Amino acid sequence: DAGITQSPRHKVTETGTPVTLRCHQTENHRYMYWYRQDPGHGLRLIHYSYGVKDTDKGEVSDGYSVSRSKTEDFLLTLESATSSQTSVYFCAISESSYNSPLHFGNGTRLTVT
Amino acid sequence: DAKTTQPNSMESNEEEPVHLPCNHSTISGTDYIHWYRQLPSQGPEYVIHGLTSNVNNRMASLAIAEDRKSSTLILHRATLRDAAVYYCILRDPNAGGTSYGKLTFGQGTILTVHP
Repeated sequence: DAGITQSPRHKVTETGTPVTLRCHQTENHRYMYWYRQDPGHGLRLIHYSYGVKDTDKGEVSDGYSVSRSKTEDFLLTLESATSSQTSVYFCAISESSYNSPLHFGNGTRLTVT
Repeated sequence: DAKTTQPNSMESNEEEPVHLPCNHSTISGTDYIHWYRQLPSQGPEYVIHGLTSNVNNRMASLAIAEDRKSSTLILHRATLRDAAVYYCILRDPNAGGTSYGKLTFGQGTILTVHP
C-alpha cells in the first residue's frame, strides 16, 4: 500500500472554528490532492498540488485553503467550518500527472455541529 | 471534460467472471481510461488504466473498444472482497495548465457479489 497517512481519522468540531487536516506521504510523489465525498455527489476535488508551494483550486474550493511547504505534507484548512463541510475527506498522491495512478488515504470523517 | 456512463449497479456470484461496462462516446484521442474501486469505508483504490490496447494486471483486465467509445473492466473470478463501487474515469493529459493531474469521479457502479 502507498504510504499515505491522514490525520485525524475522525473529528467533530463546532461551526465557525478553524480546522486543519493533514496528509502525509512517504512516497516522495510530486502530486497531492484533496477530495471530499458526500452521498449523491461522489468524489469532488477541492485543491491539488503539483509541487512544493504550488497549488491550484479544484471544483469545490470555496471555504478551503491548502498549503504544501514540504513534499511529504499537504494540509487542508477550513478557515471557519460550516455544517455544509461535514464530509469524508480523502487525500491522494500520484507520481506524475496524467499517466500515473492516484493512491488514496483512508480518509478523515469530519463532522461540523 | 469528456464524461463516462456506467450502470448504477450490477450483481455477480462468487467465482464467476464480471464484466463492468463503461461508455465514453465523447472521448478524445488523448484521454486515458482509468478504473478505480472503493470498498466500504475505504479510500478509492486504483485498478487499471489504458489508452488503446487491452491491458491486464493482477487485479483485472481492461478491454477497450476499437473506436474507444466504450470499455469493459473484467474481473476474472469475483470474490466477496470485490464488492465495491467501481469508477470509470477519463484522464486528459492535454488539459490546460496544471489541471492535467486531476481526476473527475462520477457515480460509479455498485457491484454486489453473492456467495
